[in-house]
Order: sequence, then structure tokens, then C-alpha cells
Amino acid sequence: DAKTTQPTSMDCAEGRAANLPCNHSTISGNEYVYWYRQIHSQGPQYIIHGLKNNETNEMASLIITEDRKSSTLILPHATLRDTAVYYCIVRGGFMYSGGGADGLTFGKGTHLIIQP
Amino acid sequence: GAVVSQHPSRVICKSGTSVKIECRSLDFQATTMFWYRQFPKQSLMLMATSNEGSKATYEQGVEKDKFLINHASLTLSTLTVTSAHPEDSSFYICSARWWDTSYNEQFFGPGTRLTVL
Repeated sequence: DAKTTQPTSMDCAEGRAANLPCNHSTISGNEYVYWYRQIHSQGPQYIIHGLKNNETNEMASLIITEDRKSSTLILPHATLRDTAVYYCIVRGGFMYSGGGADGLTFGKGTHLIIQP
Repeated sequence: GAVVSQHPSRVICKSGTSVKIECRSLDFQATTMFWYRQFPKQSLMLMATSNEGSKATYEQGVEKDKFLINHASLTLSTLTVTSAHPEDSSFYICSARWWDTSYNEQFFGPGTRLTVL
């Protein structure tokens, strides 16, 4: 799996957009970028994933650079409940995992703190 | 949709006893479930992959005889920590993969906090 690099921590004011960067310079052509977050003492929550096009859902937007070596997760209007550790994970999609699903490798992630 | 539950949420046991943790996919069928462990201030570490109807695959360094995994149905996997010791105290989290997605999307349970005295 491609290695990812994220800042250790970030602050963001409540109501503003939170932009979380992730570098994945060794990503291969069939690997997706996944984002999960973990609120303290809870299980991780899936946020979004993408291959090469920008993606948006009800939680966030994912912007992937054209060379796919980095991406940014955007929480458009951060709230205090968005305070969590955010994990950027690069992984093959199911169809590229030999037909079987593989466990996720979590790095240290970014601790996002939303300030009131 | 895609809800995963775990039971119990918290358990305290004496050293030497065994503890069973259940992981259920409530509204979908999960052909594959995963078990993770998280120590304080650390990230999640994959322990094992569980496929319905077959033996679990354990990650390197995880003792299969100590952490027994059973995945007897498409909605239930269990992790039994046998002869638990204080060093097994941790946050155990399961996840389940929705069988009909073409992506490696996993849905996580809320976790079980195990404390071994």
C-alpha cells in the first residue's frame, strides 16, 4: 500500500471550512484514496473515497490533484462535533484486491480541533 | 444504512478469564469482517480478517490461539480473548465490508473497551 503523510494536528474555527491535506506520492494507478475519522473513544467513521475525480457527499468533499500525489479533504462548515482524528488511507479497491477485501492500515492521522 | 454494532461496549475481567466480543452487521450482509485493536494514544492495528464460513487470517504477531475468531453467519463475528492478561487491555474494534460494493469501504463498530485486572 502506498504510504501517506498527514500533519499531526490542525486547528479550525467553528463555521469555517476545514481543509485537511494528505500526501501520497507513491500511489499506484489502481489505488483509491479513502478518508475515515475517529472521534474520541469511538469506532472510525467512513467519510469519502475517490480514485482520480473530485468527489462530494453529504459529509465532505475530496479534491485529488491531477497527478494523484496528494489530496485534500474539505469539511465545508466545521462544527465542534467534527473534532476528531482524520485518517487518509490509500488502498486498492475491492476489485483490485484479488477479489478479497483487505484490512485497512491506519497511520497516525491528523488531529483536527475545531475551536468555538 | 451500513450499521455495525458491538457487544459489550465495555468489559472488565480478571486475569486468566476469557472474554467474548460480538460484532454484528445490522442492516447488511458482511462476507468479510475485520478485527482491530487500539492501545491508548496509538492508531488502530489490524488483528485479523474473518470470512464467513472459513478460518480467520491473522496478522503477523497476533496469536490465533489466544484471539479466537468465529464468523458463522453473514451478520455475526465473534472475538474471544482467551486467558486474558493485563497486557490485553485495549480498545477492540470490528469492521464489516458490504458484500456488494466494488470498493474497499468498511463500516466500523463502536468498539469494546476491555480492561483486564
